[in-house]
Amino acid sequence: SQQGEEDPQALSIQEGENATMNCSYKTSINNLQWYRQNSGRGLVHLILIRSNEREKHSGRLRVTLDTSKKSSSLLITASRAADTASYFCATDGTSGTYKYIFGTGTRLKVLA
Amino acid sequence: EAGVAQSPRYKIIEKRQSVAFWCNPISGHATLYWYQQILGQGPKLLIQFQNNGVVDDSQLPKDRFSAERLKGVDSTLKIQPAKLEDSAVYLCASSTGPRNTIYFGEGSWLTVV
Repeated sequence: SQQGEEDPQALSIQEGENATMNCSYKTSINNLQWYRQNSGRGLVHLILIRSNEREKHSGRLRVTLDTSKKSSSLLITASRAADTASYFCATDGTSGTYKYIFGTGTRLKVLA
Repeated sequence: EAGVAQSPRYKIIEKRQSVAFWCNPISGHATLYWYQQILGQGPKLLIQFQNNGVVDDSQLPKDRFSAERLKGVDSTLKIQPAKLEDSAVYLCASSTGPRNTIYFGEGSWLTVV
């Protein structure tokens, strides 16, 4: 299984600080996606990074991918209380049905 | 652009009863997914459609769960009979293709008592 595993499971920071979450996976991938889920809501897509990319940015978000280490990180800079949510990575495979498998998530709490 | 629509949002049923969830994907999206998310866990893929064909249903409990995608657009997920462990959020999602960005609906919350 290429399931991603996020680390840490939970993270609590002060508003204005940076938050870093990591995702590790087991098998080769084509793409890796990061999602945010607010309590009681559906998942919102943040960034998709392909296996031939090393870094992508979107506003205050920065995602890196290291295929040699089979890991990715999501950095949220200058965090806000509204960033409080669970964050999931999802990885696909390089063969078969290319289905995306989600990790167990990092629960981020940003304190005002 | 309208997002993925799901109904009902909330459902409470007794064990051994049946329930059905409906999903309307984003217009033009060929790939449709049903995920099950148990509280505190990540979403688990139940079934993936490409147009109206099943691409993957390896984790669908076929003795009680069924799903179909009518005419390659709307989809329904049915559970019969429900068990207590089926209590979860059922997330429908769609994408333009199997390797592309997945867009999720708000989910259908099921409580089995």
